[in-house]
Amino acid sequence: GEDVEQSLFLSVREGDSSVINCTYTDSSSTYLYWYKQEPGAGLQLLTYIFSNMDMKQDQRLTVLLNKKDKHLSLRIADTQTGDSAIYFCAENFSSWGPRMYSGGGADGLTFGKGTHLIIQP
Amino acid sequence: GAGVSQTPSNKVTEKGKYVELRCDPISGHTALYWYRQSLGQGPEFLIYFQGTGAADDSGLPNDRFFAVRPEGSVSTLKIQRTERGDSAVYLCASSLTGATGELFFGEGSRLTVL
Repeated sequence: GEDVEQSLFLSVREGDSSVINCTYTDSSSTYLYWYKQEPGAGLQLLTYIFSNMDMKQDQRLTVLLNKKDKHLSLRIADTQTGDSAIYFCAENFSSWGPRMYSGGGADGLTFGKGTHLIIQP
Repeated sequence: GAGVSQTPSNKVTEKGKYVELRCDPISGHTALYWYRQSLGQGPEFLIYFQGTGAADDSGLPNDRFFAVRPEGSVSTLKIQRTERGDSAVYLCASSLTGATGELFFGEGSRLTVL
């Protein structure tokens, strides 16, 4: 089955870059995602990358994908105190079960356990 | 509201009781998902709906768990004969079509079974 692994904690100094790593197992995943969860709030999609891309940049965020090694990373440049949160890596899986409805299957997500990003002043 | 709404935000119940958790997705979103998040864990997939029907219920842990979405909008997750191990935050998410995995999550319903 699918499995997504990530380290549980990362501590960085304010202003430095943070790099959060993730490994996944399902080579058929079409997309890979980074979600952010702040205390008391729901998960929020940060960014995602299509599986045929190596890199995606979005302002302070850079996603790197090594499909051969099934390794995904999220780099946050100039880390701020507001970046303190839990970051979840996720891969999609497609469902084509017996009760599939018209319009095709739809994708669910398998999440890692999350990396707690701690910012030191 | 504009986001996914879940009620109740907190529910404390006794072992053996029946519980219902409600999710109101973003208007127009056809795909709706239920996840369960235990302390220190990532969200664990339970079930998702495409319209009114359960397109994949492979994540439901056992037959005490059931979910419905009768009109293709609001969904209810039902848990019978609750056990202490059911204590978790139950997250609902919706997606416009379900095709890209861009899910919009609610804040969750925290269930505590005493």
